[in-house]
Amino acid sequence: DAGVTQSPTHLIKTRGQQVTLRCSPKSGHDTVSWYQQALGQGPQFIFQYYEEEERQRGNFPDRFSGHQFPNYSSELNVNALLLGDSALYLCASSLFYGTEFIGGELFFGEGSRLTVL
Amino acid sequence: AQSVTQLDSHVSVSEGTPVLLRCNYSSSYSPSLFWYVQHPNKGLQLLLKYTSAATLVKGINGFEAEFKKSETSFHLTKPSAHMSDAAEYFCVVSLSGGSYIPTFGRGTSLIVHP
Repeated sequence: DAGVTQSPTHLIKTRGQQVTLRCSPKSGHDTVSWYQQALGQGPQFIFQYYEEEERQRGNFPDRFSGHQFPNYSSELNVNALLLGDSALYLCASSLFYGTEFIGGELFFGEGSRLTVL
Repeated sequence: AQSVTQLDSHVSVSEGTPVLLRCNYSSSYSPSLFWYVQHPNKGLQLLLKYTSAATLVKGINGFEAEFKKSETSFHLTKPSAHMSDAAEYFCVVSLSGGSYIPTFGRGTSLIVHP
């Protein structure tokens, strides 16, 4: 049973460019969340997708956008990259929207490490 | 509003000695609390969770945590550290039910000496 898979694992961009990160949830999961983890910090919640709609959003600007496909996979897009966007981007999946933090469990991928030069 | 504070950025123990990783939280509502572990170059893995059932929660790999409402704490313990426990540990707080955004602590790096 494949867990959460993310691609690419590493990438380097320059300021002003755009990036797309991809995530395939654990088999059977229908909810995908994205997190940004800066060096030495805990993950910060970006947003969550369920039924192809953004359901929850953290304190991130509109440059951060996402999408969920009918097969539950998801993309995170970041436009107009800044140096401060350099971080590990984590995708997490769960079953049944709304339950993952009231008794359910998040399953995390290993992340995509983005470096912005 | 909710927040979580991990009181130590680094904890260093010898193999075979007890582990204590401290976490304090604040939440306007009855919280759900979690501990996750992150090994180098790996994703986060759930260790244990508290969701208003028993206040003493047992997790994987011999870890436990006790929810103390009066102290707003959720400290993680293990009786005897193993070399494989060396990792980054995150305390997480979330509301129980309704709209929520999970809040992670900054993490505690556990170092285990032989």
